[in-house]
Amino acid sequence: GENVEQHPSTLSVQEGDSAVIKCTYSDSASNYFPWYKQELGKRPQLIIDIRSNVGEKKDQRIAVTLNKTAKHFSLHITETQPEDSAVYFCAATGGSYIPTFGRGTSLIVHP
Amino acid sequence: GAGVSQSPRYKVAKRGQDVALRCDPISGHVSLFWYQQALGQGPEFLTYFQNEAQLDKSGLPSDRFFAERPEGSVSTLKIQRTQQEDSAVYLCASSLVASGGKDTQYFGPGTRLTVL
Repeated sequence: GENVEQHPSTLSVQEGDSAVIKCTYSDSASNYFPWYKQELGKRPQLIIDIRSNVGEKKDQRIAVTLNKTAKHFSLHITETQPEDSAVYFCAATGGSYIPTFGRGTSLIVHP
Repeated sequence: GAGVSQSPRYKVAKRGQDVALRCDPISGHVSLFWYQQALGQGPEFLTYFQNEAQLDKSGLPSDRFFAERPEGSVSTLKIQRTQQEDSAVYLCASSLVASGGKDTQYFGPGTRLTVL
């Protein structure tokens, strides 16, 4: 089955800095890669996703890049703000239609 | 519109009790997933429905776990003879299309189950 590794587990940045979270996956058949943001005690919410027919996708301060050859994808947040503080999860979905999630990255943005 | 809702939000059970967790997906959503989320971990897949059909239950930890979606909308996750290791947040998610995990999933707020 699919295996997703996510790093780092904790990321602390100053407001205004950029943050990068990386995930690797094992199943070469995976072709859908969403990122979810989960604030403390709240439900996960999709913030951006990418499919394997593109290499990069941007939405304002958030971008995701995908390297299919290396089987890794990354979340980039620019000009971080305190409200970006949350746990971020990556996921990969392959032929089974079942998403496999990473273990999460706790992002702390210091004002 | 209304999002995914789950009830109860919190459940405390004594070891050995049976519990039932309810999920109301977004109206018209074909796919429904149940996940288990332990503290500090990502969601772990339990089971997947496409309408009323349970297409995958490979993530259910034991035969004490049972899920149903009889009319293709509301789903119930039942845990029999609860054990302490069942303590976790149980998340439900729905998506519009039949391809399940390859489309945007909308999560419910979760049910936090504590087994004493």
